[in-house]
Amino acid sequence: DTGVSQNPRHKITKRGQNVTFRCDPISEHNRLYWYRQTLGQGPEFLTYFQNEAQLEKSRLLSDRFSAERPKGSFSTLEIQRTEQGDSAMYLCASSLGDRLPDTQYFGPGTRLTVL
Amino acid sequence: QKEVEQDPGPLSVPEGAIVSLNCTYSNSAFQYFMWYRQYSRKGPELLMYTYSSGNKEDGRFTAQVDKSSKYISLFIRDSQPSDSATYLCAAAGGTSYGKLTFGQGTILTVHP
Repeated sequence: DTGVSQNPRHKITKRGQNVTFRCDPISEHNRLYWYRQTLGQGPEFLTYFQNEAQLEKSRLLSDRFSAERPKGSFSTLEIQRTEQGDSAMYLCASSLGDRLPDTQYFGPGTRLTVL
Repeated sequence: QKEVEQDPGPLSVPEGAIVSLNCTYSNSAFQYFMWYRQYSRKGPELLMYTYSSGNKEDGRFTAQVDKSSKYISLFIRDSQPSDSATYLCAAAGGTSYGKLTFGQGTILTVHP
């Protein structure tokens, strides 16, 4: 399968713990996006990378959240000191980034539950 | 007010019906408009996109954008039970063509 992959698919953690999610984009896609989706809502933009550079961050991305894409390939999203309000589906998407529209292909998501 | 508004439904129709899904938006800088379909507990998948105003047809699906009224529509002809999903409209443009702004999503059920 050459689509976007995300791991883990599900994560249950206790409040205050740190969690890290991984996203592997489609090969040769230069852009990588993170979105958060809560129940009954559409995805909300968090941040995106052009290769290894983080170009934009939403104000939703508090200082407890950090994202990296160290070699311009896979990316990680870390949440420190998790809160119950962080419970959501975390979606990763990738795109070529060299044309308009910048068609984004989404992964299956990581569902986070904070107890 | 959200930049993209979408009636969450739910919408329930019989098989074979024509379905109309709609969104409105407030940001005049948006130029690209997409429709994504999302099955339960899956990531969104792109159905189609349109640029600026106009219509685009792909099989049973037709997307329309009216920039003068800031209105986005998706029509599904001859709806099938397999079309049952959440439909998300999204827009991009302005200072960030990469960032997608999504509506809330409309839950559609097509019953046999």
